[in-house]
Amino acid sequence: DTAVSQTPKYLVTQMGNDKSIKCEQNLGHDTMYWYKQDSKKFLKIMFSYNNKELIINETVPNRFSPKSPDKAHLNLHINSLELGDSAVYFCASSQEGLQPQHFGDGTRLSIL
Amino acid sequence: DAKTTQPNSMESNEEEPVHLPCNHSTISGTDYIHWYRQLPSQGPEYVIHGLTSNVNNRMASLAIAEDRKSSTLILHRATLRDAAVYYCIPKTSYDKVIFGPGTSLSVIP
Repeated sequence: DTAVSQTPKYLVTQMGNDKSIKCEQNLGHDTMYWYKQDSKKFLKIMFSYNNKELIINETVPNRFSPKSPDKAHLNLHINSLELGDSAVYFCASSQEGLQPQHFGDGTRLSIL
Repeated sequence: DAKTTQPNSMESNEEEPVHLPCNHSTISGTDYIHWYRQLPSQGPEYVIHGLTSNVNNRMASLAIAEDRKSSTLILHRATLRDAAVYYCIPKTSYDKVIFGPGTSLSVIP
């Protein structure tokens, strides 16, 4: 059973389009995250949700909007895609506090 | 946020022990030291964490200096599957996880 699953695994699209990435966790965790890993391989947190409430919102353009319909899901919607949005996006989940984060395998977004 | 310093890269022979160092001289008293690793084309994977005492689990051991300004992740017998980027991350309970550049470990057959 996959603990944290993201779809799609690959996403190739044109500049200016709107796209969504879905994330689901079956671990019963109450906190979920989105990270971005750019071409230089730096991994940066974008958002964190705890029990469907936004608790971390890093300096991310407002074209990026996370949506958490329930505790097990955190989707990422991106409007007006730009070339600089090309990256690998990772979803993660954890129990609150010191518990380790579990990551998905990433969504590789390429903007043409 | 505590700053960390790790070697950019390290090499190990297969089946040899590997010691991955991390300096975190600005660590606060409440920061735990977490280690994650990222295998090629995969998401990061939790390895181990500790506060003051040395810690062991099925993946690795974590040796923490008495002054807590440095720590060492120990892989007892490196395998090819251990080739990854290893991240040392000090954090408190409710801090976000901040990934630095990490150490890229190569394992030579």
